[in-house]
Amino acid sequence: GENVEQHPSTLSVQEGDSAVIKCTYSDSASNYFPWYKQELGKRPQLIIDIRSNVGEKKDQRIAVTLNKTAKHFSLHITETQPEDSAVYFCAASRPNNFNKFYFGSGTKLNVKP
Amino acid sequence: SAVISQKPSRDICQRGTSLTIQCQVDSQVTMMFWYRQQPGQSLTLIATANQGSEATYESGFVIDKFPISRPNLTFSTLTVSNMSPEDSSIYLCSAGTDRANYGYTFGSGTRLTVV
Repeated sequence: GENVEQHPSTLSVQEGDSAVIKCTYSDSASNYFPWYKQELGKRPQLIIDIRSNVGEKKDQRIAVTLNKTAKHFSLHITETQPEDSAVYFCAASRPNNFNKFYFGSGTKLNVKP
Repeated sequence: SAVISQKPSRDICQRGTSLTIQCQVDSQVTMMFWYRQQPGQSLTLIATANQGSEATYESGFVIDKFPISRPNLTFSTLTVSNMSPEDSSIYLCSAGTDRANYGYTFGSGTRLTVV
């Protein structure tokens, strides 16, 4: 099955700085890569996703890049704010597999004011 | 996207007993999944809840321990059977459609403590 690795496990940045979280996946057939944000005690919320037919997607301060050849994708958050502090999970899924998601281990982002 | 109601939100149970968690979606969805999340850890897929047929379990999870029902396209239950302290965790359901892969919505989770 799919194996998704995520780095770093914790990330601390100063407010206004950028944050980058990286994930690699093992299954070359995977074609959909969502990112979830989970605040303490709350459910995971989808924040951005990317499909394998594009290399980059941006939504305001967040962006995701995908390198299919290297099988890795990254989340970029610019101009970080304290409310960005949360745990971020990447995931991967492939077609014809009931759209099951395999999650990375998570990155705890702390944005210091 | 679908809105999911999950209950109970938390429970404390005696070892050896069973707990059934309910997941109700506000619209018909093709796919429903059950996850487990240990404190401070990632989400591990338990099974895919298939409407009208037996659930599909991931490696390490079995039907006798985690029976799942899905009687229709908006509702599913997960039972944690014969509980032990190792079953203490957060259990989440997730739902969506299978049209052109897109991120699924999660329920608010059930925090289970087994004593």
